[in-house]
Amino acid sequence: QKEVEQDPGPLSVPEGAIVSLNCTYSNSAFQYFMWYRQYSRKGPELLMYTYSSGNKEDGRFTAQVDKSSKYISLFIRDSQPSDSATYLCAMSGNGNNRLAFGKGNQVVVIP
Amino acid sequence: GAGVSQSPSNKVTEKGKDVELRCDPISGHTALYWYRQSLGQGLEFLIYFQGNSAPDKSGLPSDRFSAERTGGSVSTLTIQRTQQEDSAVYLCASSLARDHYGYTFGSGTRLTVV
Repeated sequence: QKEVEQDPGPLSVPEGAIVSLNCTYSNSAFQYFMWYRQYSRKGPELLMYTYSSGNKEDGRFTAQVDKSSKYISLFIRDSQPSDSATYLCAMSGNGNNRLAFGKGNQVVVIP
Repeated sequence: GAGVSQSPSNKVTEKGKDVELRCDPISGHTALYWYRQSLGQGLEFLIYFQGNSAPDKSGLPSDRFSAERTGGSVSTLTIQRTQQEDSAVYLCASSLARDHYGYTFGSGTRLTVV
């Protein structure tokens, strides 16, 4: 079993829809949880981050962490064509800066 | 510079040749990471440098892969006797020490082995 599981299937939604992405993980030592956005031919850029369990909201983006279920989510409200990208979850634990990544979801927002 | 710079952006090489990939991190970032991104495989950790400490090489897939970081700044990833399965995007990132959130990635080097 990989440390981080993210169903890599592509996702197409109409503009204005809610996008829901999620990852599961197996390492209970993970404390830091991140979502990265990657545009084509670019490196990943940090989109959202949370520490331990809870929710965090930033504009149209909400990140949720449920440590008891080892499950994290990213929601994008009122999706825009500019949100079309690959979204990768990532996480790390205390004493180790190395990030473990999911495979990524390619999201296409159709105008 | 303002960001992490990687060169070349694209590299096509013949099977069996050696290649060198370069990463110039953000000034002042003491941590530097190399990852590999293959189609449908996500980001795979390769190696981590932190200041003057011994690097964490636990992600290097074989002894054909090596990396060095000179003067705590520029890093070079070397792949010897390249194989077709080495074809991937090689990404470099840097961060401040013990900064879990502060990775900044470069745009990567797209390596194609023919």
